[in-house]
Amino acid sequence: SQQGEEDPQALSIQEGENATMNCSYKTSINNLQWYRQNSGRGLVHLILIRSNEREKHSGRLRVTLDTSKKSSSLLITASRAADTASYFCATESNTGNQFYFGTGTSLTVIP
Amino acid sequence: NAGVTQTPKFQVLKTGQSMTLQCAQDMNHEYMSWYRQDPGMGLRLIHYSVGAGITDQGEVPNGYNVSRSTTEDFPLRLLSAAPSQTSVYFCASSHQGRGEEDIDEQFFGPGTRLTVL
Repeated sequence: SQQGEEDPQALSIQEGENATMNCSYKTSINNLQWYRQNSGRGLVHLILIRSNEREKHSGRLRVTLDTSKKSSSLLITASRAADTASYFCATESNTGNQFYFGTGTSLTVIP
Repeated sequence: NAGVTQTPKFQVLKTGQSMTLQCAQDMNHEYMSWYRQDPGMGLRLIHYSVGAGITDQGEVPNGYNVSRSTTEDFPLRLLSAAPSQTSVYFCASSHQGRGEEDIDEQFFGPGTRLTVL
């Protein structure tokens, strides 16, 4: 399987704290994307980072990418109860057109 | 825009039955794909299409067929349902990105929850 892995599998924090989740993948990539999935819903795109980028910011989100280690991290700052969801990384292989999703991190933000 | 729509939302099949999961998008996206999501796992790519008339296999294509006769529609057919195909199925679409192989963010449908008895 080409599936990546997120770490940790589950994370529980207090509102206002920062949440960090990590993603490791197996193949060379064109880009890496992070998605959020609320329970019972489809996935929603959060942020995309290309293979020639090392860090990217969007609002309260900060993503880093280390292609030498085949890993990425997603930081959510000043978390809110509404951030409670599962978070998945997805890599597009550099052969193109195929996406591989990680196993996800379940984040719970306690009000 | 309705975005990506999927029907039905829920379906129960008996082993050996066939059915088609429908997916449509109104964003004129070139790329469309089907995934399945099993408990505790991420999404796995079943089939994808980079444009009308073009389809290809993903990571787990066995037992499924697709076709892409129009830009808007990308149905997924289960030929002879098996209990192992019990899953939640998601359809997604996106623009082809700036580079030849680059796909931009994917927009997902709400999913179809399929149970095969």
